[in-house]
Amino acid sequence: DAGVTQSPTHLIKTRGQQVTLRCSPKSGHDTVSWYQQALGQGPQFIFQYYEEEERQRGNFPDRFSGHQFPNYSSELNVNALLLGDSALYLCASSRGTGVGNEQFFGPGTRLTVL
Amino acid sequence: AQKVTQAQTEISVVEKEDVTLDCVYETRDTTYYLFWYKQPPSGELVFLIRRNSFDEQNEISGRYSWNFQKSTSSFNFTITASQVVDSAVYFCALSEGTDSWGKFQFGAGTQVVVTP
Repeated sequence: DAGVTQSPTHLIKTRGQQVTLRCSPKSGHDTVSWYQQALGQGPQFIFQYYEEEERQRGNFPDRFSGHQFPNYSSELNVNALLLGDSALYLCASSRGTGVGNEQFFGPGTRLTVL
Repeated sequence: AQKVTQAQTEISVVEKEDVTLDCVYETRDTTYYLFWYKQPPSGELVFLIRRNSFDEQNEISGRYSWNFQKSTSSFNFTITASQVVDSAVYFCALSEGTDSWGKFQFGAGTQVVVTP
């Protein structure tokens, strides 16, 4: 049973560029959430997708956008990259959007913006 | 405002010592869940325990135990007889029931270092 997978593992971009990160949820899960984790800090919620729609959004600018596909996989897009966007981006999946649903996390994508 | 506070930045212990991690949360909801996750150097967050707001019974699961006290808004986590493999960053997280379904709010984490 494959867990949550993310690609790529590492990514280096320059300021102003755009990036797309990908996530495949754990088998049987239909909800995907994205988190940004800066070095030495806890993960910060970006947004959550369920039934191909954004259901919840954290305090992130519109430069951060996403998509969920019919197979439940998801993409995170970040436009006009800033140095401050350098972080570990974590994808988490769950079964439904219930408040107590355990979220399973992927290994993350390490994004470095130069 | 920070809703989950982990005041301990780093805890260093010698193997077989017990480790207690503190977590204080803030919410106005009556329905909420609290979680503890472990993040080893590989980066992947690993689920450890979950507790809902209606169940204050403290439990033990293997070497892990937790103390949930709504009166003080605390959800502390203890590792008994620590091992080197327990070295990781531990995060406490809150999931609230009103307008925040499925949104986890994490604390800043506590680095646990277990030396042989």
